[in-house]
Amino acid sequence: GAVVSQHPSRVICKSGTSVKIECRSLDFQATTMFWYRQFPKQSLMLMATSNEGSKATYEQGVEKDKFLINHASLTLSTLTVTSAHPEDSSFYICSAEGTGGNTIYFGEGSWLTVV
Amino acid sequence: GENVEQHPSTLSVQEGDSAVIKCTYSDSASNYFPWYKQELGKGPQLIIDIRSNVGEKKDQRIAVTLNKTAKHFSLHITETQPEDSAVYFCAASMGYSTLTFGKGTMLLVSP
Repeated sequence: GAVVSQHPSRVICKSGTSVKIECRSLDFQATTMFWYRQFPKQSLMLMATSNEGSKATYEQGVEKDKFLINHASLTLSTLTVTSAHPEDSSFYICSAEGTGGNTIYFGEGSWLTVV
Repeated sequence: GENVEQHPSTLSVQEGDSAVIKCTYSDSASNYFPWYKQELGKGPQLIIDIRSNVGEKKDQRIAVTLNKTAKHFSLHITETQPEDSAVYFCAASMGYSTLTFGKGTMLLVSP
């Protein structure tokens, strides 16, 4: 099946710094990618929808200046958490939809810990 | 917007038993209903999905049923095995884009 890869799988950063998470579709082109945040024992919360070549669409309550999303190619979207704080510590997951508009697949997720 | 309710929140079964997880959705325009399995510390893995023009779909020990009139869909796992233990999420969307997830069901299969 389709593969979506996230990197890094785990990252620890200091408070106030920025950290970038990459999401790649390995064997298909993804016009649309999605970024989710998941707290322990909770469901996935959609943060934003990323469309190749255009600005991301953010869900209500998500700060676009804090969570910068770039979808520069059909196989890569990045999420940059700027000026990270401990409350940004979470599990971040991306998913991708193929150019044909078919089944959505998820990446393995990235654990972010801000100390 | 769409709202997806999922029950039960936890489910414990003995190995070999069947497990059923149920979801309801609110938006009658939704037409795509995937199910995901999420193991601890990993991303969700698609296990089966169903479109609104189909009432039932089966893949080995896993089946999904959809009742569009009642706006509910269910996941059925037969002959459960310990490796089926995980959190299962249902979701609904119009098309394949923005998924609305249920709150998840933690399935524990005891040997």
